[in-house]
Amino acid sequence: SQTIHQWPATLVQPVGSPLSLECTVEGTSNPNLYWYRQAAGRGLQLLFYSVGIGQISSEVPQNLSASRPQDRQFILSSKKLLLSDSGFYLCAWSPGSGRHQETQYFGPGTRLLVL
Amino acid sequence: DQQVKQNSPSLSVQEGRISILNCDYTNSMFDYFLWYKKYPAEGPTFLISISSIKDKNEDGRFTVFLNKSAKHLSLHIVPSQPGDSAVYFCAALSTSGTYKYIFGTGTRLKVLA
Repeated sequence: SQTIHQWPATLVQPVGSPLSLECTVEGTSNPNLYWYRQAAGRGLQLLFYSVGIGQISSEVPQNLSASRPQDRQFILSSKKLLLSDSGFYLCAWSPGSGRHQETQYFGPGTRLLVL
Repeated sequence: DQQVKQNSPSLSVQEGRISILNCDYTNSMFDYFLWYKKYPAEGPTFLISISSIKDKNEDGRFTVFLNKSAKHLSLHIVPSQPGDSAVYFCAALSTSGTYKYIFGTGTRLKVLA
């Protein structure tokens, strides 16, 4: 069966510090991968998505970036965090093809607090 | 422009009764619609989906209805249980071009014991 991992679960970082959040998926190959952010009391905002290694689409211009160095690894980064980067970050994957291609599965999330 | 809308931010229902959560969309190109349940500080959990070529899909206590002419879908939970209390998101997906999911802003369901 497929599993999605995200870490860390919680992170407190000072303004201006760098960020690296990691997400890995097990039990599938060539998944579509996604990063979302949920600000307090808000909906899910799509940040980045990737349909293959090295293929990253950015949805919102900001100081965040994403990379996909391996098929099942998706990394969210920032060189300098802003206060407004605080939120709940979610990684997700979908098969993209085959049976139940439409179903998207989420990781447990990372709560980021920028002070 | 918000392509997927959940106009009710909250809903309270008595235990054992039916919960009906609504979602409207504007893009007729969406191929699939999905419902997720989310507890605080956790990732959303997939509940049920429906293809745009169908008008109903049922899984246990959960049924999703799709009205394409009205661009409207709803999630019915029968009977509602206190453990169903959570935020529910609807999402839409177009499989042509990008594989991007569009989420609504969520509806907080509270099931009263």
